[in-house]
Amino acid sequence: QPVVTQSPSASASLGASVKLTCTLGSGHSTYAIAWHQKQPDKGPRYLMKIKSDGTHTKGDGIPDRFSGSSSGAERYLTISSVQSEDEAEYYCQTWGTGIQWVFGGGTKLTVL
Amino acid sequence: EVQLVESGGGLVQPGGSLRLSCTASGFDFSTFDMHWVRQPTGKGLEWVSLIGIPGDADYSDSVKGRFSVSRENGKKSLYLQMNDLRVEDTAIYYCARDGYPFDVWGQGAVVIVSS
Repeated sequence: QPVVTQSPSASASLGASVKLTCTLGSGHSTYAIAWHQKQPDKGPRYLMKIKSDGTHTKGDGIPDRFSGSSSGAERYLTISSVQSEDEAEYYCQTWGTGIQWVFGGGTKLTVL
Repeated sequence: EVQLVESGGGLVQPGGSLRLSCTASGFDFSTFDMHWVRQPTGKGLEWVSLIGIPGDADYSDSVKGRFSVSRENGKKSLYLQMNDLRVEDTAIYYCARDGYPFDVWGQGAVVIVSS
């Protein structure tokens, strides 16, 4: 079973809200994760870290419309009032002894 | 401004070598673990290697024995020596600061392995 799993794609209308999900595999359900945004022709951008209790710490300059939460083995990234510049790939990352540093396959967000 | 800038990418034939550099600015480089991460065209992010503050290193199985990571704190620089390159090593290579988690990324260096 993969350490982290993400849906390959998601879509949201301009101004709407969207919730992306990162699922931790068996044995890793209490791990913290990080969300990173990857826009075309740019380096990845750290968005936030989310712990199993739902507390999240955002990176510098990350807009308020980005928030995080947690439920069981799932970690969520919610983007409120989606903007056109939010169209990007979003990667979930976790880390730990024995698993090194692992990225999910990424979710491509399309803004309609 | 906290920044990482990669350099040294290019086109190399299979079996060849290449050395990537990553220069840091705006923070105390010597107090952070540093990583290399790559993204092959059309694929997701893949962790490649770590170098810790004391210089200890770790590698993904896909590059172990072929790649070597090093750092020069006085020059605020991180390096990735890539030997015996394969077509499947073709990717954009990013350096990243480990602020628990990866909280600063570079813009990437393109490596193309092709005959």
